[in-house]
Amino acid sequence: DVKVTQSSRYLVKRTGEKVFLECVQDMDHENMFWYRQDPGLGLRLIYFSYDVKMKEKGDIPEGYSVSREKKERFSLILESASTNQTSMYLCASSLGLAGVGDTQYFGPGTRLTVL
Amino acid sequence: SQELEQSPQSLIVQEGKNLTINCTSSKTLYGLYWYKQKYGEGLIFLMMLQKGGEEKSHEKITAKLDEKKQQSSLHITASQPSHAGIYLCGADGGGATNKLIFGTGTLLAVQP
Repeated sequence: DVKVTQSSRYLVKRTGEKVFLECVQDMDHENMFWYRQDPGLGLRLIYFSYDVKMKEKGDIPEGYSVSREKKERFSLILESASTNQTSMYLCASSLGLAGVGDTQYFGPGTRLTVL
Repeated sequence: SQELEQSPQSLIVQEGKNLTINCTSSKTLYGLYWYKQKYGEGLIFLMMLQKGGEEKSHEKITAKLDEKKQQSSLHITASQPSHAGIYLCGADGGGATNKLIFGTGTLLAVQP
């Protein structure tokens, strides 16, 4: 079974702090994704990576950066956390097969609260 | 850009009843994924549909993709409390990057 783990289930930070959210997958997947989920807005893609050191902006990248130094690990960084970044953050990974149905598998999520 | 609309937004059913959740796309679907999410947790993959008219079943859950590949339905037969949660559809809009666009979800409650 694919396993995607996230470093924390719950996190509370203060405005202006630098926040790191870590995601690890154990299935040698090429693609990794970071989403945030908010009531009424659904899941929105922040960033994704299709290879080590490669990244692309998703739909809402502002205020976030990412790092992928190793294939299995994808980090989401909030350089200076703000209250509007309070949300549920979900990491996903997929094998990386374009056009043939490439299922994304999700981690358990990190609920981040910024005070 | 592609949009996915799910209906209903929420649903309360008695245990044992059947129910259907719909997902409608503004564009042709190259891949349609159904996920389930328990409150406060991650998404669990249920099924993926690609071909027009395709139907897949797992236990008491059946998903269908229409011939035109713009609408999918998720049908639960004889619902149980374990079916409660949020159901999300996700669409692969085609292209090389495997990005998914998600609907806003359907919240299902099953009353014993």
